[in-house]
Amino acid sequence: QVQLQESGPGLVKSSQTLSLTCTVSGYSISSGGYFWSWIRQYPGKGLEWIGNMFHNGPTYHTSSLKSRVSISLDASKNQFSLKLSSVTAADTAIYYCARGRTSTGFDYWGQGTPVTVSS
Amino acid sequence: SSELTQDPAVSVALGHTVRITCQGDSLRKYFASWYQQKPGQAPLLVLYGNDNRPSGIPDRFSASSSGNTASLTITGAQAEDEADYYCTSRDNSGNHWLFGGGTRMTVL
Repeated sequence: QVQLQESGPGLVKSSQTLSLTCTVSGYSISSGGYFWSWIRQYPGKGLEWIGNMFHNGPTYHTSSLKSRVSISLDASKNQFSLKLSSVTAADTAIYYCARGRTSTGFDYWGQGTPVTVSS
Repeated sequence: SSELTQDPAVSVALGHTVRITCQGDSLRKYFASWYQQKPGQAPLLVLYGNDNRPSGIPDRFSASSSGNTASLTITGAQAEDEADYYCTSRDNSGNHWLFGGGTRMTVL
């Protein structure tokens, strides 16, 4: 069974870099066929796609975060990561990692990790 | 347009049928997928493509699409279906993903 688990600090200071890791089990991310995504949800509100990465393929980010976001993948650890620089209070959200495919959307999600940006 | 629009809220009587819609230009080109989210939980994929359900999703959930509108229909809504529902699809570039604002469904 495919499982994803986010990890990382729950509190980040304003202007610093938010770093999260998603550990995947039950599926090898180097197998291909899927992309690996980060999605966030503001408190009490909707979902926002942050970006995708394909194994040995392109990476795409939402335009609104493009200059601040970096997604990387470590196939040896079966993990992928998110870095978001120069954070502000507006980046406070629950961050989800997810597996996706163009034909299905996002079929497996992590449980989500809350991140608060403090001043 | 690079948006997907959903009605903020809908209610349905127990056992009745409800349709939740999602509108956007990219839906003329790409299918939507639909997610159910209950409080404190991650979203759960319930429908994708041309009316496909992942394993374990009841067949009372169905999807349809026409023009720029995708729909999720629950035929015979149950109390456990009360949740927020989100649509998603690719944008017109095909490389970025959009989420609708979500519809909160209440079962009366």
